[in-house]
Amino acid sequence: DGGITQSPKYLFRKEGQNVTLSCEQNLNHDAMYWYRQDPGQGLRLIYYSQIVNDFQKGDIAEGYSVSREKKESFPLTVTSAQKNPTAFYLCATKDTDEAFFGQGTRLTVV
Amino acid sequence: GENVEQHPSTLSVQEGDSAVIKCTYSDSASNYFPWYKQELGKRPQLIIDIRSNVGEKKDQRIAVTLNKTAKHFSLHITETQPEDSAVYFCAAYFTGTASKLTFGTGTRLQVTL
Repeated sequence: DGGITQSPKYLFRKEGQNVTLSCEQNLNHDAMYWYRQDPGQGLRLIYYSQIVNDFQKGDIAEGYSVSREKKESFPLTVTSAQKNPTAFYLCATKDTDEAFFGQGTRLTVV
Repeated sequence: GENVEQHPSTLSVQEGDSAVIKCTYSDSASNYFPWYKQELGKRPQLIIDIRSNVGEKKDQRIAVTLNKTAKHFSLHITETQPEDSAVYFCAAYFTGTASKLTFGTGTRLQVTL
């Protein structure tokens, strides 16, 4: 469904731990994006990547890191430097126009 | 970079009434204007889009209008139904390249019986 797989669907993290969210796509799209969505809020861009081995910071990159070693994969690491990581995380890909979203990962700090 | 503003943040209408959501953008180079619908707990999905060479596009009860001079575009939903209740996001960017892909802040539409 949609060719974008995010895993896991739910993730719990203890304070001070790093955690990695997975995003895999089989749409052969060059561009990939990570967004954070807080309750009742919009989509805030964390990082994005135009091609393999290249990525740029979005509007709220502090406390996050990414890699783009393969076209199909764009994992997001939430580091201990992110002070308020509890949120819904969405991965998206884009070809020329329409953007497609994964089902999201809900991260909760316990 | 592109900046997209969206209003209102919440909108409540009675079933059967019309709903209008407005967005403005800053980058005159943007040529593609999609609207996404996000139901509770689900992913955003494209519902309609418009390109800069068109002023209006309609798909059943949904329509989008674009004013390039004023740099604003609007989503119109007629004969609203309870299943239209969701959060709607607009976006504006230049196609064909990997843009930053900035979305509006979203509008929560509630259709009441």
